[in-house]
Amino acid sequence: DTAVSQTPKYLVTQMGNDKSIKCEQNLGHDTMYWYKQDSKKFLKIMFSYNNKELIINETVPNRFSPKSPDKAHLNLHINSLELGDSAVYFCASSQGTSGGNYEQYFGPGTRLTVT
Amino acid sequence: AQRVTQPEKLLSVFKGAPVELKCNYSYSGSPELFWYVQYSRQRLQLLLRHISRESIKGFTADLNKGETSFHLKKPFAQEEDSAMYYCALSGSQAGTALIFGKGTTLSVSS
Repeated sequence: DTAVSQTPKYLVTQMGNDKSIKCEQNLGHDTMYWYKQDSKKFLKIMFSYNNKELIINETVPNRFSPKSPDKAHLNLHINSLELGDSAVYFCASSQGTSGGNYEQYFGPGTRLTVT
Repeated sequence: AQRVTQPEKLLSVFKGAPVELKCNYSYSGSPELFWYVQYSRQRLQLLLRHISRESIKGFTADLNKGETSFHLKKPFAQEEDSAMYYCALSGSQAGTALIFGKGTTLSVSS
């Protein structure tokens, strides 16, 4: 009964490849997020969706494209992978669009290694 | 600019010693402040939020708007407190995500 799940947990791939990371939440939340944690453990928001609609799109290369087929899923597709994309990607969800009143629940993370 | 600063990358203390993890923020409105914790090989989870003013696992944090700080404190550290702690900020309006500090690793040894 995992609340926020991500697949795969580990992803090792070569430069130039295209890969996807999937995220699913069973909490009934209507907002989902993607965060990137770099090698120095710094966490930064990438995207946020509310009811399948993009509401936050930080300065992220357009090689990264989020897709939300429904409220419970937010996938991240990355084209033409580069070495600098190596990081841990966390999915999260919350009940509302405001971070204030609503706790964000995080997935276990996907460790992406680009060689 | 919206920013969260955690000045200490690593804080090492002995079991039973008091702990204070510092957090300062910069925000042009009324922010909501949080502490998230990441234990080894586990997911990030909420520890505290200023709006609820509660104590979790013996930790407390008080929002000081004058000093723009939200320091995390515990009077007596336990070994199981060893983890990475992130201070985070969010605006209260719709559409804002969490802005994290760079995190502080707390190491508690016996």
